[in-house]
Amino acid sequence: KQEVTQIPAALSVPEGENLVLNCSFTDSAIYNLQWFRQDPGKGLTSLLLIQSSQREQTSGRLNASLDKSSGRSTLYIAASQPGDSATYLCAVRTVIFVNRDDKIIFGKGTRLHILP
Amino acid sequence: DGGITQSPKYLFRKEGQNVTLSCEQNLNHDAMYWYRQDPGQGLRLIYYSQIVNDFQKGDIAEGYSVSREKKESFPLTVTSAQKNPTAFYLCASSIEISYNEQFFGPGTRLTVL
Repeated sequence: KQEVTQIPAALSVPEGENLVLNCSFTDSAIYNLQWFRQDPGKGLTSLLLIQSSQREQTSGRLNASLDKSSGRSTLYIAASQPGDSATYLCAVRTVIFVNRDDKIIFGKGTRLHILP
Repeated sequence: DGGITQSPKYLFRKEGQNVTLSCEQNLNHDAMYWYRQDPGQGLRLIYYSQIVNDFQKGDIAEGYSVSREKKESFPLTVTSAQKNPTAFYLCASSIEISYNEQFFGPGTRLTVL
């Protein structure tokens, strides 16, 4: 059974620092991994999607990497800003081949606070 | 503007009542999803639909029902059989069921009084 873990659950860093958020998964047989941002009381905003054949994706100050063999993904945020404060979730898309049941498994998220 | 809309933003329900949450998308996506989010629990899949007139149960379908009569609409009914319905409900869509990004609506917060 696929499990997705995000550690730490919460993180505070001073403005301007570079930081890394972690996502680990137990089954390397995945289709893709997606990183989301969620502001309090809001829906999820897609940040980056990495297909299983890719090693990384970049968008602006964000860089996401994927290492399937070790079951890990990282989200790197450069030059952090107070506006980056939010909860960041990763989600892994997998398939249970016995019944072709498509699954997307979410981590519980890392709550990030950028200190001005 | 293309996107996913959910209504209402806040919903209050008395015990024993059924309520229906609306989800509409104009992205021309085939696949749509309903998730429930509870504090400290992450998102859990309630139902999903790969195409019009088809839907499948997710991990926590008991006490919920859905319909998919139109491509752009995927309403969720929370029935009185759902024992703990107070939660934040999120609707999502993707181009197709596999390989593609999911896009989320703004959510509906349901509170049972």
